[in-house]
Amino acid sequence: DVKVTQSSRYLVKRTGEKVFLECVQDMDHENMFWYRQDPGLGLRLIYFSYDVKMKEKGDIPEGYSVSREKKERFSLILESASTNQTSMYLCASSLALTGELFFGEGSRLTVL
Amino acid sequence: KQEVTQIPAALSVPEGENLVLNCSFTDSAIYNLQWFRQDPGKGLTSLLLIQSSQREQTSGRLNASLDKSSGRSTLYIAASQPGDSATYLCAVRRGFDNQGGKLIFGQGTELSVKP
Repeated sequence: DVKVTQSSRYLVKRTGEKVFLECVQDMDHENMFWYRQDPGLGLRLIYFSYDVKMKEKGDIPEGYSVSREKKERFSLILESASTNQTSMYLCASSLALTGELFFGEGSRLTVL
Repeated sequence: KQEVTQIPAALSVPEGENLVLNCSFTDSAIYNLQWFRQDPGKGLTSLLLIQSSQREQTSGRLNASLDKSSGRSTLYIAASQPGDSATYLCAVRRGFDNQGGKLIFGQGTELSVKP
C-alpha cells in the first residue's frame, strides 16, 4: 500500500514563527502536492512538484514556499506564520502516468 | 474553467439502504476522475479511480460510473452501513500533462448512515 506520512498531526505556533511541515512518500511517486483545507472553501492547492528540485505554484502560494531535495520528501514552509494560515494541511503524491492521488493524514496547524 | 459540483451537500439514510452520490463537471475533456472518502479530522482516502476511457469501476460495495459526454459521475454504495458515514469527494484531473496533473475537487457530500 502507498503510504504518505506527514510529520506532525497537530501543531501550535505563534505569529511570526517559521513553520516546517514535512511529508514523505514511500512509493517512488514523481508528483507531490500540498493542499490546505478550510470549511466552506474546500481543498485548495498551494504548491506541487513533479520532480526533484522542481516546483510549481498552485492556486494560493502566497505566504508559502516548498522544498523538494529528494524524490520521497516534500516540505512546506511558512516563512512567517500568520493567523490566517490556521488550517488543515494535506500532503499528497501520485504517479505521473496514472494520476491517482494518495493523501497523508493531514497536519492541523493553529497559529496564535 | 473546470468546475466540479456535488449535490446534495449532505445526505442522511437508514442503514441497509442503497444510495447514489452525484458529481458533475463542466468540461468533458478530463483525464480521469477519482472518488475519495474523508473522515472528520483525517486525510482523504482514495476509493476509486476511473480513467477517461472507462465507464465504471467497482470495489466491494462501491461502484463508480463515468459519463464524460454528460459531465457526470455517480458513486453507488450498496447496503450502506454506519461505518460508511463520512464526507465523499470527487475530483477530476484536467487532462494529462507531465507537470503534476492537478485535480479539481468538488465540495463533497457529507453522508450519515443511521443504525
